[in-house]
Amino acid sequence: GAVVSQHPSWVICKSGTSVKIECRSLDFQATTMFWYRQFPKQSLMLMATSNEGSKATYEQGVEKDKFLINHASLTLSTLTVTSAHPEDSSFYICSARALAPGLVQETQYFGPGTRLLVL
Amino acid sequence: GEDVEQSLFLSVREGDSSVINCTYTDSSSTYLYWYKQEPGAGLQLLTYIFSNMDMKQDQRLTVLLNKKDKHLSLRIADTQTGDSAIYFCAETDTGRRALTFGSGTRLQVQP
Repeated sequence: GAVVSQHPSWVICKSGTSVKIECRSLDFQATTMFWYRQFPKQSLMLMATSNEGSKATYEQGVEKDKFLINHASLTLSTLTVTSAHPEDSSFYICSARALAPGLVQETQYFGPGTRLLVL
Repeated sequence: GEDVEQSLFLSVREGDSSVINCTYTDSSSTYLYWYKQEPGAGLQLLTYIFSNMDMKQDQRLTVLLNKKDKHLSLRIADTQTGDSAIYFCAETDTGRRALTFGSGTRLQVQP
């Protein structure tokens, strides 16, 4: 249980194009999903919190017009990198909160990540 | 703000025990986690501990929490080459919900 998928797993695009990344909770519903960004050999940095049916909450320094987040259903959140540039190249990871066995507090389960390379 | 720190690298021989350490600053941390990340992959939840616990054991994994010193450790017994990965500790509190991650510790297991 608590499987999170991401699509695509990797993408190469030209500078100036937009890229959409999907995050799905496969066997559970997630009212809240999180989007993280990871640069090589670095830790995960939270970009935004995606809430189903409402606007995403962005972390300081993350441009909401650049990284569009849509959480249209309880099992799907999308991150669109608009007008991508080479500095947007990174590993993007989503997570979804679920109630793990034996826990009363939801914990986060992570997708496999999407590697974006902008040429 | 919240801060979580880890040593960057640990090398052990196969069969030995590995101990990965983590310190955090947020005294309101309620839940602490250990995640494993293999190259090019997402994060796998290994284990977790509540702040009102001192120790948790799960097969080869032992988590120790010193809440007074805000110190968390992960011990892997009988370390195998398949344990080579980056290990992240993370914390959250009930109010914040998002995770704050450490920088990750790269574990290298020598055959």
